[in-house]
Amino acid sequence: DTAVSQTPKYLVTQMGNDKSIKCEQNLGHDTMYWYKQDSKKFLKIMFSYNNKELIINETVPNRFSPKSPDKAHLNLHINSLELGDSAVYFCASSYRVNTEAFFGQGTRLTVV
Amino acid sequence: AQKVTQAQTEISVVEKEDVTLDCVYETRDTTYYLFWYKQPPSGELVFLIRRNSFDEQNEISGRYSWNFQKSTSSFNFTITASQVVDSAVYFCALSEATGRGSYIPTFGRGTSLIVHP
Repeated sequence: DTAVSQTPKYLVTQMGNDKSIKCEQNLGHDTMYWYKQDSKKFLKIMFSYNNKELIINETVPNRFSPKSPDKAHLNLHINSLELGDSAVYFCASSYRVNTEAFFGQGTRLTVV
Repeated sequence: AQKVTQAQTEISVVEKEDVTLDCVYETRDTTYYLFWYKQPPSGELVFLIRRNSFDEQNEISGRYSWNFQKSTSSFNFTITASQVVDSAVYFCALSEATGRGSYIPTFGRGTSLIVHP
């Protein structure tokens, strides 16, 4: 069974569209994250939720909105997609806020 | 200034060579956590090790070993007798308290290790 799963794995869309990436973890972890990895492999945290509560909200355009319906899910919705949003987005979870993260397989978003 | 510096952008070795990946971090906290992750060509991110700031014991796991030195703010990673399967991008990360009861992780820019047969 996949511990952290995110869908879709690939997403190609046009500028201006709205899209969502879903993430689910079956590890019983309290904390979930969204990371963005750019073309140079730089990994940057975007958001973190602990027990469904937003605890980290880095400098991210407000076109990006996370939603956590329950502890096991953290979805990412992106409005008005721009070319610069093209990247790999990783969902992750951890037992607590200071423990190691387990990552999903990533979603490669390409905006054309 | 970067909080986590991985000065080696790319390292190329021949199989069976030992290789050390450097990581230097910067923090004013007394309690923090350090991590190493591996990202093979397939793209997934795999956790390797976690260290808290109060535990300076070095660790060995098979061919992997880690050297944590607070005096130099370094957390270096050595692979002994490297293998082609070790080819990957390796990330060092630092987790610091936010002051609101949470911790924020910061990743280094990664070191790409290429092991040639």
